[in-house]
Amino acid sequence: GAVVSQHPSRVICKSGTSVKIECRSLDFQATTMFWYRQFPKQSLMLMATSNEGSKATYEQGVEKDKFLINHASLTLSTLTVTSAHPEDSSFYICSARSRHSGQGAGGYTFGSGTRLTVV
Amino acid sequence: KQEVTQIPAALSVPEGENLVLNCSFTDSAIYNLQWFRQDPGKGLTSLLLIQSSQREQTSGRLNASLDKSSGRSTLYIAASQPGDSATYLCAFKAAGNKLTFGGGTRVLVKP
Repeated sequence: GAVVSQHPSRVICKSGTSVKIECRSLDFQATTMFWYRQFPKQSLMLMATSNEGSKATYEQGVEKDKFLINHASLTLSTLTVTSAHPEDSSFYICSARSRHSGQGAGGYTFGSGTRLTVV
Repeated sequence: KQEVTQIPAALSVPEGENLVLNCSFTDSAIYNLQWFRQDPGKGLTSLLLIQSSQREQTSGRLNASLDKSSGRSTLYIAASQPGDSATYLCAFKAAGNKLTFGGGTRVLVKP
């Protein structure tokens, strides 16, 4: 089945530094990738949608200069949290959708998430 | 704006009891609805997908129904086990790429 690999699973960084999170589709081509943020005991909030080779579309209220998304190939998307602050501490999850609608359950496959702690 | 609501937010049952999880949505222009499971600190695992033309889907002890007219989906888990303890999320999809998630139901099945 479709697999999305997300790394790192956990990261602790100092305030003011930048952190990069990678999301790779292992056995399919992901034309669209989604980045979500999840606070404790809350649901997933969509941050942005990225299509391969084009700029990401950010949801209202998400700072595009702070959360840099790159989707340079059909198998890799990255989220970089720039100048991280403690309030950026959260659980970040990516999701990928293949060019062939219906691959995987509903065509969406999720990564295992990244726990970011900014100290 | 599409809203997806899950009730209850948390549920605790003894092992063996059937689970009933509810999901309601406000937009009738549904394309499909998915149920996911999330274990603590982990990503999402897809459980069941119901297309708008379907009324229910079944997989093992899991059964999900969809009633578009009332804007509801229900996930039934029969004969619950401690391993079913997790957070269950429903996600609504209209035309386009976005999924809108409900707030989730945290389930605890006590041995």
